[in-house]
Amino acid sequence: GENVEQHPSTLSVQEGDSAVIKCTYSDSASNYFPWYKQELGKRPQLIIDIRSNVGEKKDQRIAVTLNKTAKHFSLHITETQPEDSAVYFCAASRPTGNQFYFGTGTSLTVIP
Amino acid sequence: GEEVAQTPKHLVRGEGQKAKLYCAPIKGHSYVFWYQQVLKNEFKFLISFQNENVFDETGMPKERFSAKCLPNSPCSLEIQATKLEDSAVYFCASSQSSGVRGTQYFGPGTRLLVL
Repeated sequence: GENVEQHPSTLSVQEGDSAVIKCTYSDSASNYFPWYKQELGKRPQLIIDIRSNVGEKKDQRIAVTLNKTAKHFSLHITETQPEDSAVYFCAASRPTGNQFYFGTGTSLTVIP
Repeated sequence: GEEVAQTPKHLVRGEGQKAKLYCAPIKGHSYVFWYQQVLKNEFKFLISFQNENVFDETGMPKERFSAKCLPNSPCSLEIQATKLEDSAVYFCASSQSSGVRGTQYFGPGTRLLVL
């Protein structure tokens, strides 16, 4: 089955700096890669996603890049703000989409 | 509704008791997924449905866990004879389609504590 690895598990950055979270996946058939943000005690919220027919997608301060050959994708947050502090999860899905395979999460702390 | 709804928010059970959790998917969404999130933050997939049909149940501990999605009713996840290790937050998610078009939207979760 699919195996998604996520690094780092914790990340602290100064406000205004950039944060990068990386994920690798094992199944070359996976073609959909969402990123979720989960604040303490709350539901995971989709923040950005990418499909395998594109290499990069941006939404304001958030961007995701995908390297299909290397089977890795990354989340980039620029100009970080304290409200970006949360746990971020990457996931991968195969074409049949029976389930999402989640990474183990990255706890991001933005220090004011 | 516009959001996935889950009830109850919190559930406390003594070891060996039954626990039943409910999920109402977003209106128009055909797929429902159940995940278990334990302390280490990992999401463990349990089961998914396409309408009332089981789509994938590879994650279900079948001896004690069961789930249903019946027409015109919330979906449910039931744990018979709960164990301490069942303590977790159980999330339900729904999506309009599967595969690459199937963005999953999560409910607020049910926090189950087994004492």
